[in-house]
Amino acid sequence: KQEVTQIPAALSVPEGENLVLNCSFTDSAIYNLQWFRQDPGKGLTSLLLIQSSQREQTSGRLNASLDKSSGRSTLYIAASQPGDSATYLCAVWAGNMLTFGGGTRLMVKP
Amino acid sequence: NAGVTQTPKFHILKIGQSMTLQCTQDMNHNYMYWYRQDPGMGLKLIYYSVGAGITDKGEVPNGYNVSRSTTEDFPLRLELAAPSQTSVYFCASSYQGLSSGNTIYFGEGSWLTVV
Repeated sequence: KQEVTQIPAALSVPEGENLVLNCSFTDSAIYNLQWFRQDPGKGLTSLLLIQSSQREQTSGRLNASLDKSSGRSTLYIAASQPGDSATYLCAVWAGNMLTFGGGTRLMVKP
Repeated sequence: NAGVTQTPKFHILKIGQSMTLQCTQDMNHNYMYWYRQDPGMGLKLIYYSVGAGITDKGEVPNGYNVSRSTTEDFPLRLELAAPSQTSVYFCASSYQGLSSGNTIYFGEGSWLTVV
């Protein structure tokens, strides 16, 4: 059974800091990995999708990497801003199911 | 741009009652999903559908039923509600399966409390 773990569960940083969120998964037989953002009381918004054949994806200040062999992904956020405050979830698609981690709750202080 | 629309947003249900959470999408997506999210946890798949008339169980289907009579609608029914079903429910859709790299779109969630 696929299990996805995110560390840390919560993170508080001052504005402008670069930060890394971690995601690990137990079964490397995945189709792709996605990072999502969830704002309080809202649904999820897809940030980046990395296919299993890819190593990384970039969108603006966000960069996500994937190492299938070690079962790890990282989300790098450059020059963090208060507007980046949200919960970030990673999810892996394997078999016919998208399995989510528990999320990292990020607070960026002005 | 409606996207994925869920109703109701909030609901309180008594133990043993039944109710239906509605979900509709206007993107002509083939695949639709129902997830639940418990506090501080990730999302768990309840049921999914790959097209009208086809549904399949996810990770946590017990206590729920679904139907998919049209491409647009994917209602989730709770039978004999239990306190363990207190959660936030998210409906989602994608054009094809997620293994093909299609983006998944989520509704804003339905907060359900069973008392």
